[in-house]
Amino acid sequence: DAMVIQNPRYQVTQFGKPVTLSCSQTLNHNVMYWYQQKSSQAPKLLFHYYDKDFNNEADTPDNFQSRRPNTSFCFLDIRSPGLGDAAMYLCATSRRPVDTEQFFGPGTRLTVL
Amino acid sequence: AQKVTQAQTEISVVEKEDVTLDCVYETRDTTYYLFWYKQPPSGELVFLIRRNSFDEQNEISGRYSWNFQKSTSSFNFTITASQVVDSAVYFCALSEAGGAQKLVFGQGTRLTINP
Repeated sequence: DAMVIQNPRYQVTQFGKPVTLSCSQTLNHNVMYWYQQKSSQAPKLLFHYYDKDFNNEADTPDNFQSRRPNTSFCFLDIRSPGLGDAAMYLCATSRRPVDTEQFFGPGTRLTVL
Repeated sequence: AQKVTQAQTEISVVEKEDVTLDCVYETRDTTYYLFWYKQPPSGELVFLIRRNSFDEQNEISGRYSWNFQKSTSSFNFTITASQVVDSAVYFCALSEAGGAQKLVFGQGTRLTINP
């Protein structure tokens, strides 16, 4: 089945130790998004790729970066994780130019020790 | 700026009761989309419905129905004859019509259906 896959589902890292979260999709969608969702809060958009065009949200900390080497894969890099970065990270995709819903992956829950 | 408000933080009902989740939105755009997503304990956001701002027809899908009223900027979601499996956090969201369709989420309503 076509889907959005996130690995790993659970990630534990140490304070200040770089970590990379992975997202892949078999939907061949143009747009890929990364959201951060802290406990009992709404998902918050960090950035998105429209094809190879990277778009950062104004309030996304510099500590967060992303790479999209090809259509199928997108990575979220956290250069120096702090305790406040512990959250669920959700990847989503959508197809453009046709307006449609975003398809979400299962998320990666990041714990920072 | 776009904003979505879900005033109900938590709702708890007994199985088979009907329940309505409220959603009020703010936007200056004339064309926009409204969504409902379900987030079960597993964490994945599950798409339920998308509504175009020009389409105010109410929609029914099985036990689910949605009432879109542009005059009051509301997009409410009703579950009829609720079931324990409906227990989840439900998010209402708004997006621009063009561009990359960035979603702005409400704070979510945690729905608990008790047997």
